[in-house]
Amino acid sequence: KQEVTQIPAALSVPEGENLVLNCSFTDSAIYNLQWFRQDPGKGLTSLLLIQSSQREQTSGRLNASLDKSSGRSTLYIAASQPGDSATYLCAGSGGSYIPTFGRGTSLIVHP
Amino acid sequence: DTAVSQTPKYLVTQMGNDKSIKCEQNLGHDTMYWYKQDSKKFLKIMFSYNNKELIINETVPNRFSPKSPDKAHLNLHINSLELGDSAVYFCASSSPGTGNTIYFGEGSWLTVV
Repeated sequence: KQEVTQIPAALSVPEGENLVLNCSFTDSAIYNLQWFRQDPGKGLTSLLLIQSSQREQTSGRLNASLDKSSGRSTLYIAASQPGDSATYLCAGSGGSYIPTFGRGTSLIVHP
Repeated sequence: DTAVSQTPKYLVTQMGNDKSIKCEQNLGHDTMYWYKQDSKKFLKIMFSYNNKELIINETVPNRFSPKSPDKAHLNLHINSLELGDSAVYFCASSSPGTGNTIYFGEGSWLTVV
């Protein structure tokens, strides 16, 4: 059964920093990995989806990578802004295609 | 138009009551899910339906019963509510046609008093 771990649990950085959020998963036979953003009191917004055949995906200042052999994915945020403050969750789907979530990284970007 | 919509958004009810949360998706997706997010913000799958058929049912008490009248709807009915049922319940949907990207509703905040 897929297990997903995210580190760090919380991160506070000054505006403008480049930062990396980490996600590890136990089952290398992963079907896809998805990164989400959750704002307080809100639902989840999909940021990036990486299929098992892909190595990375980019959207604006976000870049997500997938390394199945090491069981890791990273979300890189360039030039962070206060508006990036949120909880970031990764979810890995295995053979059942049911996404299993990590516990998230709570990010604060302060001006 | 909202892709995945849930009602109600907020629900406060007494222990022992029965309540339902409705979910509808207008994305034409084949698969719908219910997730529970606890006070520690951990999201855990409860149910998954594919084309109206149950394909996964994690260790959820029998008091929780999903109903899928058609492919676009997956409702969650909860009997004999307990204090521990207080959480945020998220509905979601996905389809192979969109790479199985999962889309979430805004959540339903359930408080049992």
